[in-house]
Amino acid sequence: SQQGEEDPQALSIQEGENATMNCSYKTSINNLQWYRQNSGRGLVHLILIRSNEREKHSGRLRVTLDTSKKSSSLLITASRAADTASYFCATDVFYGGSQGNLIFGKGTKLSVKP
Amino acid sequence: EPEVTQTPSHQVTQMGQEVILRCVPISNHLYFYWYRQILGQKVEFLVSFYNNEISEKSEIFDDQFSVERPDGSNFTLKIRSTKLEDSAMYFCASRPGLGTDTQYFGPGTRLTVL
Repeated sequence: SQQGEEDPQALSIQEGENATMNCSYKTSINNLQWYRQNSGRGLVHLILIRSNEREKHSGRLRVTLDTSKKSSSLLITASRAADTASYFCATDVFYGGSQGNLIFGKGTKLSVKP
Repeated sequence: EPEVTQTPSHQVTQMGQEVILRCVPISNHLYFYWYRQILGQKVEFLVSFYNNEISEKSEIFDDQFSVERPDGSNFTLKIRSTKLEDSAMYFCASRPGLGTDTQYFGPGTRLTVL
């Protein structure tokens, strides 16, 4: 799999349900970030988790990171129709001289039905 | 809240023409980036810029591309002779500096090459 690869590719749920998206990566990282993109729009930063952290919360978002499995998950609780968007994970690859360039996955397209 | 801005929102050009995409990063940020997203594909890193010089660039960023920070606020991406395959959404991002890894993205410029 490629660096920062999300699954599922598409997820359709009802409002009020929880949505879980997963991301896998291949190389060592400094941190992993999750972004949201509404159709044809810009990228909105959601949350950053560092390589020495295992779990992080922000409002209805919960992110976990398992560096031994090189994977992360994003959980959106009590989803709303407004959460409908594509969600991307992006890794900041760890190597000397890195300037923080992000490597993005292909994203999970989340559809929340009212 | 400060945000990254980009102009224009949509640029249409003929193959072979030069285009300049403009970005105003968040004030006091030190690291600047350009990414692109071909329709339906993942976001790809192009170039990072720090201390008035390119710090890293990807394979995509060939001699047709250049970046500049002509003054204290603007950050531009120039494509010298556009090709059809340059059609994409181009995102500018900025990051405060050491110790802060979150990248803040602009809304993007959609470039269409005819």
